[in-house]
Amino acid sequence: DSGVTQTPKHLITATGQRVTLRCSPRSGDLSVYWYQQSLDQGLQFLIQYYNGEERAKGNILERFSAQQFPDLHSELNLSSLELGDSALYFCASSAPGVPLHFGNGTRLTVT
Amino acid sequence: LAKTTQPISMDSYEGQEVNITCSHNNIATNDYITWYQQFPSQGPRFIIQGYKTKVTNEVASLFIPADRKSSTLSLPRVSLSDTAVYYCLVGDGSWGKLQFGAGTQVVVTP
Repeated sequence: DSGVTQTPKHLITATGQRVTLRCSPRSGDLSVYWYQQSLDQGLQFLIQYYNGEERAKGNILERFSAQQFPDLHSELNLSSLELGDSALYFCASSAPGVPLHFGNGTRLTVT
Repeated sequence: LAKTTQPISMDSYEGQEVNITCSHNNIATNDYITWYQQFPSQGPRFIIQGYKTKVTNEVASLFIPADRKSSTLSLPRVSLSDTAVYYCLVGDGSWGKLQFGAGTQVVVTP
């Protein structure tokens, strides 16, 4: 158990809809990272937050947004969903200098 | 961030040692080398991290030559449960924009 909790584990929704994925980092970790993993692609870095502030941004679509709350949990919001957004979405957390620890992901299926 | 290159796949038999070499020619002075393991539909799991020479833990060993332009992950006496994708990453610990490569698919057969 990595200590990183992601909910829900599975999510099925229709095109055009909006969903929210939630991540609780390991106790004490201030950084949260979001990754997307499609079937035919590797792990794509989306965005990083550190103690509530956006720290780094990767290939995150404008339809996607994220935030980190004062209690350090994070949410990834995906809107105007398309079939191509179907993927595994992983959250990871870390402390400075400490390797990332990943949750077991949310599998999103857009129909 | 330093770009990494590793073999796409490796096959092994149970009980053998598996060595996966990762090239990172542009590694910076402050960069660490970190390896992750990923099973299907699970998040990557940290295996080992090192800066130079050799690091060993209960799961694997990591060999880093003096020039640090490559590293080798060694998995001793693999079992079927070691079948997974292994990723080599290089970063300075801030981990911002940390991008995973394609990884190495290791398949262990009886």
